[in-house]
Amino acid sequence: NAGVTQTPKFQVLKTGQSMTLQCAQDMNHEYMSWYRQDPGMGLRLIHYSVGAGITDQGEVPNGYNVSRSTTEDFPLRLLSAAPSQTSVYFCATRRRGVRGDLNEKLFFGSGTQLSVL
Amino acid sequence: GENVEQHPSTLSVQEGDSAVIKCTYSDSASNYFPWYKQELGKRPQLIIDIRSNVGEKKDQRIAVTLNKTAKHFSLHITETQPEDSAVYFCAALSGTYKYIFGTGTRLKVLA
Repeated sequence: NAGVTQTPKFQVLKTGQSMTLQCAQDMNHEYMSWYRQDPGMGLRLIHYSVGAGITDQGEVPNGYNVSRSTTEDFPLRLLSAAPSQTSVYFCATRRRGVRGDLNEKLFFGSGTQLSVL
Repeated sequence: GENVEQHPSTLSVQEGDSAVIKCTYSDSASNYFPWYKQELGKRPQLIIDIRSNVGEKKDQRIAVTLNKTAKHFSLHITETQPEDSAVYFCAALSGTYKYIFGTGTRLKVLA
C-alpha cells in the first residue's frame, strides 16, 4: 500500500493563478482532510470529508474548494492564489473501526510546499 | 472557538536529561489527545496518545499525562537522545471530526 500520496511536492504560483493539490489514498479510509502548516501556527484544518459526496469546512476554509467524488481522492483547489496561501499543505486520513466508529488516528501524506509570489 | 495552547515554543536540553512540553485545551468536550513528532521536511508522526478516561500513559521513554479538571496535558521524554530533536505538536479532538493543534515546540537535544 502506498498510503496517502500527495502531489506535487513543490509548487510555485503567481498571484491569481489557480491550481489543484492532489491527495490520493489506497487504504479505503472514509475520512480525508486538508491542513495547512505555517511557522508558529501549528496545523490548521481547511476542509474535511467523511465520505464520497460529503465535505465540510474546517478552521480556515476561505480561498479553498474541495470535492469528494471517490473514496480514494480528495483534491484541494485554489481558484485564485494569494501570497497568504504560501504554506505547507498536508492531507490526512482516518479509518473506520470494526464497530463502525471513526478511529482517531490521523495518517498524513508527505506534504506539498506551495509558494505564491 | 476552540484552541490549544502549547508551551514552550522552544526547548533545549542536555542529552540524557528530561524534557516536558505542556498543552492546555479549551473545549471541555475534547476526549482524545495525541502527540505528534515532526522532523525537518517530514510529515507529522504520531508518537503517543491518551483518551480522556485515562490519567497517564507510558511507552518506553515517552509518557503523557492528562488533567481533565484543569484541561492540561503534558508530554514527558526521559533520557533524551539527539534523535529526539524535532518539533512536537499536541492536539485535541474537538467533537468527532476536528482536530485542534498546538503551535508546536522545537526540541533540541544537545550532545
